[in-house]
Amino acid sequence: DQQVKQNSPSLSVQEGRISILNCDYTNSMFDYFLWYKKYPAEGPTFLISISSIKDKNEDGRFTVFLNKSAKHLSLHIVPSQPGDSAVYFCAARSRAGTASKLTFGTGTRLQVTL
Amino acid sequence: DGGITQSPKYLFRKEGQNVTLSCEQNLNHDAMYWYRQDPGQGLRLIYYSQIVNDFQKGDIAEGYSVSREKKESFPLTVTSAQKNPTAFYLCASGPGGYTFGSGTRLTVV
Repeated sequence: DQQVKQNSPSLSVQEGRISILNCDYTNSMFDYFLWYKKYPAEGPTFLISISSIKDKNEDGRFTVFLNKSAKHLSLHIVPSQPGDSAVYFCAARSRAGTASKLTFGTGTRLQVTL
Repeated sequence: DGGITQSPKYLFRKEGQNVTLSCEQNLNHDAMYWYRQDPGQGLRLIYYSQIVNDFQKGDIAEGYSVSREKKESFPLTVTSAQKNPTAFYLCASGPGGYTFGSGTRLTVV
């Protein structure tokens, strides 16, 4: 049972255009959502996050939108740059008492072309 | 610099052998996590520990074991009971696993 889904395994965008990466989740108990960027054979690096009580968070070229009613979040990258080419994972946090853990989607490979 | 160190970067083992992957952090984080990544799949949680001497099974704990004797260290042992041990293993620490190490690629031959 996959609680966090990224239905697009890959996305190709032209340099300077907007990249939109999507993520859907099923567990309404998730209270925090994160996006990570990952290069091959490296660990993921944290990109941007959003609390479940907000609907938008912006950091430079990166904006994350959260639609709780639809259980959907998206990452917008504007403008896209060649260095943005990587695999992007969305993750959702759940808590059990004092413990917390992240559940990851399967990732979307973004390629930004010249 | 503060961070998470995983060693070694690449590891080869014969089938049927146990192998231990190292994870050390100097971020003073209480929580530490082990994830596994397979091609075309997301990161799946193996084990996690919120404090020293305590740990919980994640979604795919079978065939793995961990210990948490020190706050800085959270080693993962891949036992011979793990059916498909060849994978990329990632260690993380922080509240909710925010900081990741660079990973260990384990290949079992």
